[in-house]
Amino acid sequence: ETGVTQSPTHLIKTRGQQVTLRCSSQSGHNTVSWYQQALGQGPQFIFQYYREEENGRGNFPPRFSGLQFPNYSSELNVNALELDDSALYLCASSSGQGTYGYTFGSGTRLTVV
Amino acid sequence: DAKTTQPNSMESNEEEPVHLPCNHSTISGTDYIHWYRQLPSQGPEYVIHGLTSNVNNRMASLAIAEDRKSSTLILHRATLRDAAVYYCILRDVIGGKLIFGQGTELSVKP
Repeated sequence: ETGVTQSPTHLIKTRGQQVTLRCSSQSGHNTVSWYQQALGQGPQFIFQYYREEENGRGNFPPRFSGLQFPNYSSELNVNALELDDSALYLCASSSGQGTYGYTFGSGTRLTVV
Repeated sequence: DAKTTQPNSMESNEEEPVHLPCNHSTISGTDYIHWYRQLPSQGPEYVIHGLTSNVNNRMASLAIAEDRKSSTLILHRATLRDAAVYYCILRDVIGGKLIFGQGTELSVKP
């Protein structure tokens, strides 16, 4: 079985630009969550999608938005990038909304300059 | 959101057991205790979870106090590849987000 795949692995953007990060969930998983991890910190929950519907959101502004597609892959979109958005963005998938654990991808390292 | 408290760092010798403690005095009856670890340059990896009884799997054991206010992750024989940040997380049984704290950075000496 394949794991969680994220693309791209690294990205450099300019302040004010928009970015889209992509995630392919593990086969058989219908739940996808996104996390932001600043350097030296634990991951912070952004939002979760279950069967294409958002069913949980962390303390992030509306310029962070997402989608989940019928094949359960997902996108994270960030508008009006700020320097503080520089971080590792992690995608995690699970079945049954994570009751038995999440599988994380290796993340996308976003640098905003 | 329920919170956990872990030591910032711990050291272990290779091939010795490691006991990683976690305090969660505000745990509710519907919270599961989850452990994840994050190796350098990788995403977090699920280790184990439990509710009330002790749990074992191929990676580790989880010992849960009778009052559920604390738990201990046990690595039976540490290897160099076990060097990572270990996160203890409370997660409601109904579902929802994982709330990561700072975790415990485990270093393993040969």
